[in-house]
Amino acid sequence: QVQLHESGPGLVKPSQTLSLTCTISGGSISSGGYSWSWIRQHPGKGLEWIGYIYYTGSTYYNPSLKSRLTISLGTSNKQFSLRVTSVTAADTAVYYCARGKEFLSGSSSSAWFDSWGQGSLVTVSS
Amino acid sequence: SFELIQPSSVSVSPGQTASITCSGYKLGDKYVHWYQQKAGQSPVLIIYQDTKRPSGIPERFSGSNSGSTAILTISGTQSLDEADYYCQVCDIRTVVFGGGTQLTVL
Repeated sequence: QVQLHESGPGLVKPSQTLSLTCTISGGSISSGGYSWSWIRQHPGKGLEWIGYIYYTGSTYYNPSLKSRLTISLGTSNKQFSLRVTSVTAADTAVYYCARGKEFLSGSSSSAWFDSWGQGSLVTVSS
Repeated sequence: SFELIQPSSVSVSPGQTASITCSGYKLGDKYVHWYQQKAGQSPVLIIYQDTKRPSGIPERFSGSNSGSTAILTISGTQSLDEADYYCQVCDIRTVVFGGGTQLTVL
């Protein structure tokens, strides 16, 4: 059973860079058929997809956040990371990492999140 | 960008059937997935590919998707089903979540 765990600073100053790492246990990023996502949830609000990465290093980002985002692989097969630059109070949220199960059949494709981390609250404040 | 619309709240009496809708343009042409999120917890996948239940998810949870609306149905709703529910699709290499529905069991 794969497990994911987010880690990183809980407090970031405005205009600085938010950095989080997701560590995977019971599996690895090189497992075929999966993507590795970051998803956030503003306090009392819904889920917002941030972006995902494949084991190849290919990335796909939420267009509304793309200019400030970098998702990258770690040095091992067990980690991937998120960087968000120029943060503001609007970036205050619980950040989740999640594994996406990919489905591809003919012209039909989709993905769903079958494993989630416990979430990491990041507050942007001076 | 693709949008998914959910009612903000749904109420149901214990033992009754709850239906939570998720609407989007030609949604029936996409696969819809559903998540349950209880207060203070991470989301949990409860339905994937419109109708399939992951291992460990009770049979009272079911899903359908046709036309422009997907429906999550909870039969014999229990108090422990009180939670927020989110639908999700993929659209051209991006992921879209519905705004979420708060289910109240009273």
